[in-house]
Amino acid sequence: EPEVTQTPSHQVTQMGQEVILRCVPISNHLYFYWYRQILGQKVEFLVSFYNNEISEKSEIFDDQFSVERPDGSNFTLKIRSTKLEDSAMYFCASSGQISSYEQYFGPGTRLTVT
Amino acid sequence: KNEVEQSPQNLTAQEGEFITINCSYSVGISALHWLQQHPGGGIVSLFMLSSGKKKHGRLIATINIQEKHSSLHITASHPRDSAVYICALNTGNQFYFGTGTSLTVIP
Repeated sequence: EPEVTQTPSHQVTQMGQEVILRCVPISNHLYFYWYRQILGQKVEFLVSFYNNEISEKSEIFDDQFSVERPDGSNFTLKIRSTKLEDSAMYFCASSGQISSYEQYFGPGTRLTVT
Repeated sequence: KNEVEQSPQNLTAQEGEFITINCSYSVGISALHWLQQHPGGGIVSLFMLSSGKKKHGRLIATINIQEKHSSLHITASHPRDSAVYICALNTGNQFYFGTGTSLTVIP
């Protein structure tokens, strides 16, 4: 069964550094998403991406964040100048033909900023 | 302001019991998702609803658009159903997540 994969599973970085979280969505999916979940809190929407551009983003997704689909298979989330409060689990998801289709989630990347 | 409210927050059931988890929301939606988050953190999509009712095995999800309410039912609950169940809204341009219902099924 096709699945969404994410790398790395755990990333530790120092405050102020840049990190890139990687996701490989299901191959025939067209919509891609990033979410985050701070430990003990609810999941929060960051951004959705379709047709090589951001389709929607939340208030959280400010200039510190960017997304890219560099090569037609990977979908990346870049966090510049990381802060302690960026420590969270970051989930990637993809969905099929239209945005309201069922989403398939990756296993998540745990980001720890020290 | 919480766009999504789930109840109960925590639920403990004996194996075999019928379980209901509720989700109320306050915004217009294009779809409502029920998700399952395992103790290890992984998230699985259970249902995507825009109207009516869906059934997968022992799981049933219903939605009443007029009342802005959805329910997730688990029949014949089993310890492996123990997880956090999350209601999430797709408003067409944003996603809002509930805080989740933590379910523990005791053998």
